[in-house]
Amino acid sequence: AQTVTQSQPEMSVQEAETVTLSCTYDTSESDYYLFWYKQPPSRQMILVIRQEAYKQQNATENRFSVNFQKAAKSFSLKISDSQLGDAAMYFCAYRINFGNEKLTFGTGTRLTIIP
Amino acid sequence: DADVTQTPRNRITKTGKRIMLECSQTKGHDRMYWYRQDPGLGLRLIYYSFDVKDINKGEISDGYSVSRQAQAKFSLSLESAIPNQTALYFCATSQHPSSEGSSGELFFGEGSRLTVL
Repeated sequence: AQTVTQSQPEMSVQEAETVTLSCTYDTSESDYYLFWYKQPPSRQMILVIRQEAYKQQNATENRFSVNFQKAAKSFSLKISDSQLGDAAMYFCAYRINFGNEKLTFGTGTRLTIIP
Repeated sequence: DADVTQTPRNRITKTGKRIMLECSQTKGHDRMYWYRQDPGLGLRLIYYSFDVKDINKGEISDGYSVSRQAQAKFSLSLESAIPNQTALYFCATSQHPSSEGSSGELFFGEGSRLTVL
C-alpha cells in the first residue's frame, strides 16, 4: 500500500520569511499525482498545489512552490514571503494516475506564522 | 453557496445513538467520498462511491454505513455511535481522472464535527 509521510508535526516561521514543509511517499508506480492541501482554522480543505509525476518542472502557484524529487520520492512545499493567513494545517496527498485509485493523505504539518 | 454541503456542521450525541451525516454537491461529479480526520492521523477514507450503484469500503469502514441516494447525495451513518468515533468528518467529490484537465483532486465540504459522549 502507498504511504505518505510528513515528518514535521509542527513548524513555525517568521512573517515574510520562507518555510519548507517536507513530504515523502512510498510507491512502486511511475505515473501519479501529488497534492498539497491547506486546512486553516475554518477547517475547510483547500487545494494549494498539484504535481504530476511525469512533469519534470516543479509546480508553482504564486508564493507556493514545490520541490519534486521523483527518485528520492520527496515532495516538499515551499512558502515564500509567509503571511499570517498561511497559518494552517498542511496535508500532503498522493494518488496513482490510473483506474479507481483514491487519494492517500499524510498526517499533516501545523504551520504557525510568527508576526 | 458551497459546491459541497455537509449537514450538520456540528453534532453532539450520546453513546448508542444513531447518527446520519449528509452530503450534497452541485459540482456534477460522479465520485463521492467520506473521510475522517483525527489529530495526528490525517484523513482516512471510510467509504467511497463512484456512481449511484457503486459503494466501496475504505480503510476504516467498521461501524459505519453509507447510502448514495442520488448522484448529488451521499450520506454516512453511524448505527450505534461510540466515543472513539468522535472526529471531524469530511465529504468530498472528484471527477473521473480521465476527464480532461482532471487530476482526480478532491473537492471538500466544510466538515462535520461529531462528538460522542
